[in-house]
This record gives sequence, C-alpha cells and structure tokens, in this order.
Amino acid sequence: RKEVEQDPGPFNVPEGATVAFNCTYSNSASQSFFWYRQDCRKEPKLLMSVYSSGNEDGRFTAQLNRASQYISLLIRDSKLSDSATYLCVVNPPSGGYNKLIFGAGTRLAVHP
Amino acid sequence: GAGVSQSPSNKVTEKGKDVELRCDPISGHTALYWYRQSLGQGLEFLIYFQGNSAPDKSGLPSDRFSAERTGGSVSTLTIQRTQQEDSAVYLCASIKQAGAADTQYFGPGTRLTVL
Repeated sequence: RKEVEQDPGPFNVPEGATVAFNCTYSNSASQSFFWYRQDCRKEPKLLMSVYSSGNEDGRFTAQLNRASQYISLLIRDSKLSDSATYLCVVNPPSGGYNKLIFGAGTRLAVHP
Repeated sequence: GAGVSQSPSNKVTEKGKDVELRCDPISGHTALYWYRQSLGQGLEFLIYFQGNSAPDKSGLPSDRFSAERTGGSVSTLTIQRTQQEDSAVYLCASIKQAGAADTQYFGPGTRLTVL
C-alpha cells in the first residue's frame, strides 16, 4: 500500500462547479498534512495546511479525518485558473524532521 | 526575497555520462531536500540535509546518485553513469527550520533527459 494515495483524475468540471478530492494515508501516527498545487511543468507550491478542526481559505476547504486516515480538499465556485494538479502531502513520524510524503496528485481541469 | 534557484533548468545528456545539478536554497533556510518527479508521477524523496547533521540518504535509488551540501547552503546532486530511467525533473526544496509545520519552498527544477 502506498503511503499516500490519491485518485489521479482527471476531474473535468465546468466553471462554477464544486469539486472535492480525497486522499488516504497509511501511517496513523502522521501529524501534519498539506495540500500543494502544481501547475503544468512548474514546481509544487503550498496551497494550504490541513488542521484537525478543518480549515477554510476563501473557496478552498480542507478537512482531516484521523479515524479514517483521509484528508479532503473542497473547491467551491471553480475558476479556470484552478486547473492544476493537487498534491496531498503527509508528514509521518520520521525521527524528528519534516520528511514530507507526496501523493501522486489529482488533476483538475476546469472548462468554460 | 529570492526563492530557491536551480541550475541548469534543462540538461540533455548521453547515457553513461555524469551530470551535476545545483540548488541554491533560500538564504537562512537550514534544511534542504532533493526530490525526483518522473513524467505524470508524484514526487519521490531522494535526500535531506539539515544543518551539520548527517544527511538522510534513504531515498537515493542507487549508488550512482550522491549529493553534498557545502557550507550549509548550496547543494549539488550528482548522477554518475546516467541511465535512461534517470530522466525526470529533479526538484530541490528548502525550509527555514526542521519544524513539523514548516512550508517547503521548491525551486523550478532541472529537467534531465538521458538519451
């Protein structure tokens, strides 16, 4: 089983749609969770951290379910500019440093 | 301020040749990572440097791969006797300090093509 698993997509949605991505992780002791965004042929950039209580940043909502070991990202009112690959990232216990494990990503394509 | 920089941005080499990839982290960042991303794949951890501590080399795929970080700043990833399966984008990232919630800042990557 991979440490971090994501549905690769692609998710093809019209502008204005709401879309949700899920991600599962295998190490139940993982402490930190993130969503990164990667545009085509660009480097990944942090989109948002994921907190236990859930958190929202504008049109983006991230949630963590520790019992089921999954993380979700909800995007409301999708924009064309949201088209990218979304990477689920987990920080498992690894001897005290920030070793991030990246999922393979979920591709989102927003069309007019 | 300046972000993470990497050079070269693109490298085409012949099978069997050695290559060196360079990463300049953000000034003051103590930790540095190398990742590899093959076409359509996720990021594969290669190696981690933190200050003067011994690096975590657990992700290096073979002994043809090595990396060093001089003076706690610039890092060089060396691939000896390159193979076609080494073709990928090599990404470098740095963080300010090795805390659990620190953001990793990525460089633009070096796209390596082995013919």
